[in-house]
Amino acid sequence: QKEVEQDPGPLSVPEGAIVSLNCTYSNSAFQYFMWYRQYSRKGPELLMYTYSSGNKEDGRFTAQVDKSSKYISLFIRDSQPSDSATYLCAMNTGFQKLVFGTGTRLLVSP
Amino acid sequence: DAGVTQSPTHLIKTRGQHVTLRCSPISGHKSVSWYQQVLGQGPQFIFQYYEKEERGRGNFPDRFSARQFPNYSSELNVNALLLGDSALYLCASSLGVFLRTNQLYEQYFGPGTRLTVT
Repeated sequence: QKEVEQDPGPLSVPEGAIVSLNCTYSNSAFQYFMWYRQYSRKGPELLMYTYSSGNKEDGRFTAQVDKSSKYISLFIRDSQPSDSATYLCAMNTGFQKLVFGTGTRLLVSP
Repeated sequence: DAGVTQSPTHLIKTRGQHVTLRCSPISGHKSVSWYQQVLGQGPQFIFQYYEKEERGRGNFPDRFSARQFPNYSSELNVNALLLGDSALYLCASSLGVFLRTNQLYEQYFGPGTRLTVT
């Protein structure tokens, strides 16, 4: 079993839709939870990170962490075609090694 | 300011050969990490270096090695290449490695080197 599970998609939505991306994990020692966005043939770009449980909002993006369920989510409101990319969840225990999910490919159609 | 740079962009090698990949971190960053991303998968941690010392190693064979230079740039070396080594190799730099509660040293990724082994 992988430490971090993520549905690879693709997830196709119309412009303006609310997008929900999710990951589950098995290592209860994870404390930092991150979401990266990766465009084709580019390196990952950090969108948001959350420490421990709770919610964090940044513009159209909201990250949620439920440590009791070992479940994290990223919500994108008013999705745009420019949001089309692969979204990777990542987490670590407090040291720099990041453990990534497989990534979910998101397609937002105009 | 320049971001993380990696060279070369693309590389084609044959089985059994050796390859060296290079990374220059963001100015002022002292930590460099290497990740391997196979097509359709998330990045897998290979190494982390901080102040020229190895601070972490992932589950990769001894064919993989790395080092960090006094200017904080880094090289990743892979010997005896296998077809399964074909991947995007990503370098990430950060200011440091020691974290305090609620504080994260963000890792900035470069564009990667795409290695194809034939």
